[in-house]
Amino acid sequence: KAGVTQTPRYLIKTRGQQVTLSCSPISGHRSVSWYQQTPGQGLQFLFEYFSETQRNKGNFPGRFSGRQFSNSRSEMNVSTLELGDSALYLCASSFRDYPYEQYFGPGTRLTVT
Amino acid sequence: KNEVEQSPQNLTAQEGEFITINCSYSVGISALHWLQQHPGGGIVSLFMLSSGKKKHGRLIATINIQEKHSSLHITASHPRDSAVYICAVAANNDMRFGAGTRLTVKP
Repeated sequence: KAGVTQTPRYLIKTRGQQVTLSCSPISGHRSVSWYQQTPGQGLQFLFEYFSETQRNKGNFPGRFSGRQFSNSRSEMNVSTLELGDSALYLCASSFRDYPYEQYFGPGTRLTVT
Repeated sequence: KNEVEQSPQNLTAQEGEFITINCSYSVGISALHWLQQHPGGGIVSLFMLSSGKKKHGRLIATINIQEKHSSLHITASHPRDSAVYICAVAANNDMRFGAGTRLTVKP
């Protein structure tokens, strides 16, 4: 089976712009979770989608949003980018919803200048 | 105080040594995960535990729900085990992470 894929792998954006990141889960997996990793805050949970519904959400401002499509692919969007949004964004998929074993993608490294 | 505390933060070992990484948490959980992250960012899920003990190859993970504590053991450590090991707990419908333990195994 192909693993979790994320696109793009690297991205440079300017403050104030918006960005959309994509995650394709392992075939058959219906849950997708998103995480932000920064040197200062470590790994933090953003949100989790299961069968196109947002099931859980972390403590992030409304500028961070996401969605899941009927084929389980997921996107996350960050609007009005700030310098502090520079991070590695990871998605993970699992067959069932939280808190089952998760398979992580390689991440998208976002740099905001 | 963080809800998930890991110790030690950094660990250097010689090849072949037995290694223990500890994780303590302060919230009620439904499961605890041990993750491995190599340079470059890729994360691999090693274990998911809700009770007792699990073993996979040279890796053993234990959890004591009453004491809110988990340990990850690596037997016969090898330089390829060098990575950051992260403890994560599933609590209140989200995931909370420890700061990670950076392990370096020298040949």
